[in-house]
Amino acid sequence: GAGVSQSPRYKVAKRGQDVALRCDPISGHVSLFWYQQALGQGPEFLTYFQNEAQLDKSGLPSDRFFAERPEGSVSTLKIQRTQQEDSAVYLCASSRSRKNGYTFGSGTRLTVV
Amino acid sequence: GESVGLHLPTLSVQEGDNSIINCAYSNSASDYFIWYKQESGKGPQFIIDIRSNMDKRQGQRVTVLLNKTVKHLSLQIAATQPGDSAVYFCAENGETSGSRLTFGEGTQLTVNP
Repeated sequence: GAGVSQSPRYKVAKRGQDVALRCDPISGHVSLFWYQQALGQGPEFLTYFQNEAQLDKSGLPSDRFFAERPEGSVSTLKIQRTQQEDSAVYLCASSRSRKNGYTFGSGTRLTVV
Repeated sequence: GESVGLHLPTLSVQEGDNSIINCAYSNSASDYFIWYKQESGKGPQFIIDIRSNMDKRQGQRVTVLLNKTVKHLSLQIAATQPGDSAVYFCAENGETSGSRLTFGEGTQLTVNP
């Protein structure tokens, strides 16, 4: 597609529930990023893929967070046993390369109740 | 730690005026900078970028200035319009940070008609 597509747009989860968030990057973009954005804050880095390889996962806040990109295109961010503090907007971005612009999707707003 | 921050959290201007949004960064190894515009409920939208071998770059109604000596970045918007109302983020990247972008806190720009 023309842009980065994320689904679902909104997700309400009960505390303790597992969730899966999907990102479909721009075709041909080898780099894919996940960010977490709390209300009123700037996006915070979670993890980075180059093709199917997860090169940096230093931003994942706990071992409940897991991301994958098995075929080097679509990526899934999974959060296990969700907690209230996981409530945020999860943004996905893709890029051809460093210093070549990063295009963001519209994000998934996760609310844990 | 290294950070990117903004001087002004809010900026209010009259329609037709020029706007200047400032950003300070602390990582001297940063060599690539991007300005993003984020409207409510949407993902960050790329506005303009600049590499560290440049001091100035112009786009349509926008200009980014980079002062590496004092580690300062600014975004100038000419003839500001109501549609420019949004939160503006600067983001930086450097070789030492891999491919991740580090975002500042954001400035809320409000354009009064």
